[in-house]
Amino acid sequence: EVQLVESGGGLVQPGGSLRLSCGASGFSFSNFWMTWVRQAPGKGLEWVANIKEDGSQKDYVDFVKGRFTISRDNAKNSLYLQMNSLRAEDTAVYYCVRGIGWFDPWGQGTLVTVSS
Amino acid sequence: ETVMTQSPATLSVSPGEGATLSCRASQSVSSKLAWYLHKPGQAPRLLIYDASTRATGVPSRVSGSGSGTEFTLTISGLHSEDFAIFYCHQYNNWPYTFGQGTKLEIK
Repeated sequence: EVQLVESGGGLVQPGGSLRLSCGASGFSFSNFWMTWVRQAPGKGLEWVANIKEDGSQKDYVDFVKGRFTISRDNAKNSLYLQMNSLRAEDTAVYYCVRGIGWFDPWGQGTLVTVSS
Repeated sequence: ETVMTQSPATLSVSPGEGATLSCRASQSVSSKLAWYLHKPGQAPRLLIYDASTRATGVPSRVSGSGSGTEFTLTISGLHSEDFAIFYCHQYNNWPYTFGQGTKLEIK
């Protein structure tokens, strides 16, 4: 079964940092682009960042550039999102998804709450 | 960026009936459009990609159509598991963007 499992979410103060992880199983992780998508409370879905199969290309939405870093470890079948200088508006459920065009599958998500 | 507008925001339908959901793009996205179903607390699920191709395991009563700027998701014979929020998503123009969602609720 193709599966993605996120971890690392939690409560963090504004200006703080958090590192999200996503473990992949059931498919050849190193053969796929991977993406982080988020959903703020009561809001719609929002693409955050993606990374090429070998990690050689990374793209970010404007409002996280310079603050978030996407990375992967193909030997560990894992995707990461390092989030620095967190703001209240970064509060959201963060989903790990496979793909760069359409996304399939999605993980269950991990909640990040930025609050003092 | 390409703004995706879904309508209606909420659609009330009785089980067994059909539903038609719309998604409009502010500029052409060719056929690079996907639809997802999302139930609160669960992982979103891919239903349709490339505007009209059903994802693995999606029943034939779910269909997608359209190209350019106008797209439609049609579900016939609604089952209880179909009541959720549906999102369209374009992956033709950078940055890729989602619609704000249509909530399909039981009438």
